Amino acid sequence: SAVISQKPSRDICQRGTSLTIQCQVDSQVTMMFWYRQQPGQSLTLIATANQGSEATYESGFVIDKFPISRPNLTFSTLTVSNMSPEDSSIYLCSVEDRQGEYEQYFGPGTRLTVT
Amino acid sequence: GENVEQHPSTLSVQEGDSAVIKCTYSDSASNYFPWYKQELGKGPQLIIDIRSNVGEKKDQRIAVTLNKTAKHFSLHITETQPEDSAVYFCAASLTGGYQKVTFGTGTKLQVIP
Repeated sequence: SAVISQKPSRDICQRGTSLTIQCQVDSQVTMMFWYRQQPGQSLTLIATANQGSEATYESGFVIDKFPISRPNLTFSTLTVSNMSPEDSSIYLCSVEDRQGEYEQYFGPGTRLTVT
Repeated sequence: GENVEQHPSTLSVQEGDSAVIKCTYSDSASNYFPWYKQELGKGPQLIIDIRSNVGEKKDQRIAVTLNKTAKHFSLHITETQPEDSAVYFCAASLTGGYQKVTFGTGTKLQVIP
């Protein structure tokens, strides 16, 4: 199974600022996903990042607010821009593993608090 | 789009008892049904999954069943232990090409020693 790391693990940020979250995978993967998990809630897909193309955003999420980079097959970043307290959430990176049967794995998450 | 409902939202069981979590999905084309365990402060961990070509899958104390006709799938944990306490999420997806995994709302399982 893919091993995923995220940086930072947590951060406290001032409103109006931006934070970039990094996701590193130990193997090459085609698709990487970014999720948001608000406190006590389920997981909501923000966008899908395919290497070499623009990220595909889900309804309610826009590129200006959540720009994503996918420079290679093992790395991606998500930026949370112009933050407000409503952006306080856990942000999770996920990848699909097609080496065997299809499976999807998650990173440990980045816990963001906006004050 | 796919909609996944999950019940119950909370579940308390005595250590050694069984726990059952049930999910329903709406898109009959979905063919992949993973279950995740999320402990406090951690990311979701894939614990078991089932694909539409089988009706049941077991891994030690964990089993998952799938009824494609009724669009139901369930997670069964036997001989529960305190370390099973966590939030469990079911999910549904269509594998192949671009696929979006839709998650249920989660079940907080508490195993009482």
